[in-house]
Amino acid sequence: KAGVTQTPRYLIKTRGQQVTLSCSPISGHRSVSWYQQTPGQGLQFLFEYFSETQRNKGNFPGRFSGRQFSNSRSEMNVSTLELGDSALYLCASSWGLSSSGNTIYFGEGSWLTVV
Amino acid sequence: AQRVTQPEKLLSVFKGAPVELKCNYSYSGSPELFWYVQYSRQRLQLLLRHISRESIKGFTADLNKGETSFHLKKPFAQEEDSAMYYCALSTQGGSEKLVFGKGTKLTVNP
Repeated sequence: KAGVTQTPRYLIKTRGQQVTLSCSPISGHRSVSWYQQTPGQGLQFLFEYFSETQRNKGNFPGRFSGRQFSNSRSEMNVSTLELGDSALYLCASSWGLSSSGNTIYFGEGSWLTVV
Repeated sequence: AQRVTQPEKLLSVFKGAPVELKCNYSYSGSPELFWYVQYSRQRLQLLLRHISRESIKGFTADLNKGETSFHLKKPFAQEEDSAMYYCALSTQGGSEKLVFGKGTKLTVNP
């Protein structure tokens, strides 16, 4: 079956702009988590959605937001982009909550560069 | 606060040598720990979890609650083990999430 799909794979934005990233989970998976990966901070948890509800949020400013649709597809949005938001954004899906021991499957990520 | 520490950013061994990737965690609850691996040009994927106490690709990891460690070990490293390895902690009880260490890049030299 198809894996976790993220779009777009690469994008360049200007400071102050906003960006929306999309994630299609594995069919049947109801949980979608988002992570930011940078060389300095590694993988940092952004938020997790389960059945269209945000279950938990990491320590990121309110400029970072997300949502999940009824078909489990998820989007994350970053408004008023800053240079420091340049990172690889990873989406992961699982059948149940990632904290409940369910195996999570990662997408290839969306590379965001802010100039 | 929950934290996962991987003290080595880089680890280099020769083929056939034993390898140990260190992971220490800080968590007041009952921990659930995982090792994830990312091979070159591939997605991040689960390698093993402590609950299943299994050996995957010759790797094992034992949870030591006294030392709050979950080190990943393999007795004889292979070149194909070269990858980025991440230790992760699953937290529960009001702040459920998966907390990752910063990773260790393992290079197995021929």
